Amino acid sequence: QKEVEQDPGPLSVPEGAIVSLNCTYSNSAFQYFMWYRQYSRKGPELLMYTYSSGNKEDGRFTAQVDKSSKYISLFIRDSQPSDSATYLCAMRGGSNYQLIWGAGTKLIIKP
Amino acid sequence: KAGVTQTPRYLIKTRGQQVTLSCSPISGHRSVSWYQQTPGQGLQFLFEYFSETQRNKGNFPGRFSGRQFSNSRSEMNVSTLELGDSALYLCASSPRDGTDTQYFGPGTRLTVL
Repeated sequence: QKEVEQDPGPLSVPEGAIVSLNCTYSNSAFQYFMWYRQYSRKGPELLMYTYSSGNKEDGRFTAQVDKSSKYISLFIRDSQPSDSATYLCAMRGGSNYQLIWGAGTKLIIKP
Repeated sequence: KAGVTQTPRYLIKTRGQQVTLSCSPISGHRSVSWYQQTPGQGLQFLFEYFSETQRNKGNFPGRFSGRQFSNSRSEMNVSTLELGDSALYLCASSPRDGTDTQYFGPGTRLTVL
């Protein structure tokens, strides 16, 4: 079993919809959680960074961490076709700097 | 500031050959990490270099190696290529080691025939 599980999709939704992307993990030591966005033929770029449990909001994006359930989510409000990309979760714990990555979810926003 | 650059962008090799990929980090960044990305496995960590020293290594065979130069530029080498080495190889730079804000280059797409 992988340390981080992420549904590869694709997830296809109409423009304007609220999108929910999720990752589950097994290592309770993970404390730092990130979401990266990767457009086709580009490298990933950091979207959201969260420490421990709770919510973090940035514009149309909200990152949520539930450590008790070992579950993290990224919500996108008022989704736009330009949000179409692959979204990767990444996390690490304590003094181990190595990031553990999810497989990425391909998101398609239909105009 | 210029972003992370990787050369070449595309590469086709045959089994048994070796390949060297190059990465130039963002100016002032001292940490460089390498990843292999495939559709089935996602991003797999290869190694991280900081100030010319390998700080971390992932679970890859010894055919995969790397180095970092005094100007922070990094190279990775894969010897005796196998079909399964076909992947997108991504380089990411950070201002210092241990930071989670990694800035990725566009990657080198390696195809092994």
